[in-house]
Amino acid sequence: SQKIEQNSEALNIQEGKTATLTCNYTNYSPAYLQWYRQDPGRGPVFLLLIRENEKEKRKERLKVTFDTTLKQSLFHITASQPADSATYLCAFGSSASKIIFGSGTRLSIRP
Amino acid sequence: DADVTQTPRNRITKTGKRIMLECSQTKGHDRMYWYRQDPGLGLRLIYYSFDVKDINKGEISDGYSVSRQAQAKFSLSLESAIPNQTALYFCATSEPDRGNTGELFFGEGSRLTVL
Repeated sequence: SQKIEQNSEALNIQEGKTATLTCNYTNYSPAYLQWYRQDPGRGPVFLLLIRENEKEKRKERLKVTFDTTLKQSLFHITASQPADSATYLCAFGSSASKIIFGSGTRLSIRP
Repeated sequence: DADVTQTPRNRITKTGKRIMLECSQTKGHDRMYWYRQDPGLGLRLIYYSFDVKDINKGEISDGYSVSRQAQAKFSLSLESAIPNQTALYFCATSEPDRGNTGELFFGEGSRLTVL
């Protein structure tokens, strides 16, 4: 069956370092990947989209890569800040209806 | 005001009761979705609707039904709630783009507890 795995349930890093989150998929051929941020008690908020023919996407301190050979996406937050602490969800999609979410990685940035 | 509004935000009910979760949006999007979020399982799609006359089952539709009353309103019903339907429910909207990769806009969630 199709499966999305975010390989860390929780990640703790020091402020100022780069946070790297990983998302892997199996038995699936996604056309695109999205990353969302979710704060406690809130709905997820869209951050970035990358398509299968794109290797890398950047937005301010965020960078996403998409490797269809490794079946993996990496999500980087550079110069991390305590305000970046949240749960980050990856989602792979092959159409608007066929979006599969990972279970999330809870990121904590300590001052 | 929120673009995607869910009511109620919290609800505690008993096994066997009928429950309706409502969603309304002011984004003008045609596409609406209901997701369920459980710890360790991520978001799972229950039902989705691409326009008022279009309703489709998602990954986990058993035990649920939906109604698309208007472009802006999409309701989720549990006809006879059971404890394993205890979860956080999210409504979302999107608009189609050329690659069908439209980002999802989520509501704040409805936390349902079935005793």
